[in-house]
Amino acid sequence: DAEITQSPRHKITETGRQVTLACHQTWNHNNMFWYRQDLGHGLRLIHYSYGVQDTNKGEVSDGYSVSRSNTEDLPLTLESAASSQTSVYFCASSVGRSTNEQFFGPGTRLTVL
Amino acid sequence: GQSLEQPSEVTAVEGAIVQINCTYQTSGFYGLSWYQQHDGGAPTFLSYNALDGLEETGRFSSFLSRSDSYGYLLLQELQMKDSASYFCAYSTPLVFGKGTRLSVIA
Repeated sequence: DAEITQSPRHKITETGRQVTLACHQTWNHNNMFWYRQDLGHGLRLIHYSYGVQDTNKGEVSDGYSVSRSNTEDLPLTLESAASSQTSVYFCASSVGRSTNEQFFGPGTRLTVL
Repeated sequence: GQSLEQPSEVTAVEGAIVQINCTYQTSGFYGLSWYQQHDGGAPTFLSYNALDGLEETGRFSSFLSRSDSYGYLLLQELQMKDSASYFCAYSTPLVFGKGTRLSVIA
């Protein structure tokens, strides 16, 4: 069955370190998204991609970067982790720009100490 | 600016009907979506309204009025398993509201 996976599921890191969160989908979806979820803020869009080599900034992109070298993967990199980036991170994918049905991965809980 | 407003918490009795409202403000609007998220889980898609009116999917229905910048999610025959957070979101790309925590009590 097609799925979307994230790794690691939990990570603890130190301030200033570079961290990469992986997202892999086997749906063959063109669109992929990264969100962070914090209490009181709901889901906020970090970066998104509509296809290979395409990336776009979302609402809270500062301190984060993504690259899309193939259809299946959209890794999220925190260049220099900050305590404010402690959060739960969700990756999602969808088949086309007009569809609103996004399929979410299980999430990664990141703690920056 | 862009924003969505929905109640932070709603409590309802098992077997009853509950309506979760969502108002939005945005310069570009394609449609309104609803997602469900159980504690510790990932959001899952419930419904999408691109046009005015009611969309029904089993016990769940969603309504949109583009002229009023307003929508709602209607849950009927509430079950304990419906206790979760519900998010409205507009597109594109999706911008989510802060969510409504629904508690279903016996």
